[in-house]
Amino acid sequence: ELKVEQNPLFLSMQEGKNYTIYCNYSTTSDRLYWYRQDPGKSLESLFVLLSNGAVKQEGRLMASLDTKARLSTLHITAAVHDLSATYFCAVNNNAGNMLTFGGGTRLMVKP
Amino acid sequence: GAVVSQHPSRVICKSGTSVKIECRSLDFQATTMFWYRQFPKQSLMLMATSNEGSKATYEQGVEKDKFLINHASLTLSTLTVTSAHPEDSSFYICSARDLPGQPQHFGDGTRLSIL
Repeated sequence: ELKVEQNPLFLSMQEGKNYTIYCNYSTTSDRLYWYRQDPGKSLESLFVLLSNGAVKQEGRLMASLDTKARLSTLHITAAVHDLSATYFCAVNNNAGNMLTFGGGTRLMVKP
Repeated sequence: GAVVSQHPSRVICKSGTSVKIECRSLDFQATTMFWYRQFPKQSLMLMATSNEGSKATYEQGVEKDKFLINHASLTLSTLTVTSAHPEDSSFYICSARDLPGQPQHFGDGTRLSIL
């Protein structure tokens, strides 16, 4: 059974600081997604990572994937208040071709 | 881009009522649709997967007689919560994809509150 663990579950940080969210998964997968969720809203797709060593960047967010370690990271550079949200990673379950979500990281960026 | 429309966005109703939620793919054919439930401050939990024209596959612990899923066309799936009770109050999110391996596109979610 595929298990996906994110840490930390909650992150409070100051504007301008850097931090990394980690996503570990238990079995081989061919793709990993990162999503953002604002309170009361659905998911917004951020990144899809398909191969070992993949790195994608959008603004202050950068995601990477190490398939050998079964680890993805979401790095936040010089955080701003607008980045406050909950971030989820989700891993494709190759057997069922469906997504298993991590527990989410609630990010609060304080001015 | 691929758009999934979910309706209604908010439902408040009395205990014992049945509630239907619609999920439509607007600009692609959704051969597979997924239904998720999200309780406050928790992650998304997959309830069921439905393929067009087939019976839905439910995840362990999800009552198929309580959560009726219909996926009769390539653009529409419905979730009916039958005889809803307060413990069914949650945020329900659908997603759809056209082919295996393609990304899922998420609807805006339905907040269900049972009084």
